[in-house]
Amino acid sequence: QVQLVQSGAEVKKPGASVKVSCKASGYTFTSYEINWVRQAAGQGLEWMGWMNPNSGNTGYAQKFQGRVTMTRNTSISTAYMELSSLRSEDTAVYYCARIAVAGTVYYSDYWGQGTLVTVSS
Amino acid sequence: DIQMTQSPSSLSASVGDRVTITCRASQSISSYLNWYQHKPGKAPKLLIYAASSLQSGVPSRFSGSASGTDFTLTISSLEPEDFATYYCQQSYSTLLTFGGGTRVEIK
Repeated sequence: QVQLVQSGAEVKKPGASVKVSCKASGYTFTSYEINWVRQAAGQGLEWMGWMNPNSGNTGYAQKFQGRVTMTRNTSISTAYMELSSLRSEDTAVYYCARIAVAGTVYYSDYWGQGTLVTVSS
Repeated sequence: DIQMTQSPSSLSASVGDRVTITCRASQSISSYLNWYQHKPGKAPKLLIYAASSLQSGVPSRFSGSASGTDFTLTISSLEPEDFATYYCQQSYSTLLTFGGGTRVEIK
């Protein structure tokens, strides 16, 4: 069965970087794009960007341009999201999700369990 | 970016009620609209994709429709497990965006 398993919770100081991993299993990793979504406490879902595990191509929401990097290691079917220059507003649960396609419509059908990143001095 | 505006931001309803949530896109997005359910401490769950296609395993009381740039998620008869927050998401642009969410609470 399809599973996305994320790395554990992180506590970081302002200005630091965090790298969250997302290990895929149960399907061909390079056949589906991965996107990242976050939710801060009391806030809604916020889409951060996508990565094509086959080509390595990425697309980032304007808000995160210059601060986020999405990469992958195909040998271990794992996607990564690194966010730099962390500030307190980046405290959130971060999710990875697989992007499926129906015709030309993209949607996230399988999700990781979420990783809490806390930014605090 | 394409803006997605959901309404209402919250609602109170009883088990058995018919519930309708609306999402409006800032421009035409054809049928590139998905709906997700999100419960605290859980990962979001896909309900509807392509505006009206029911994801496998999702109960048939959930349905989606579209009219121009307005999209609707309907729960025909609310069940106890349906109390959650619902989000629309456009995938017309390669830079996806979510609506602000609609919290469905118990009356």
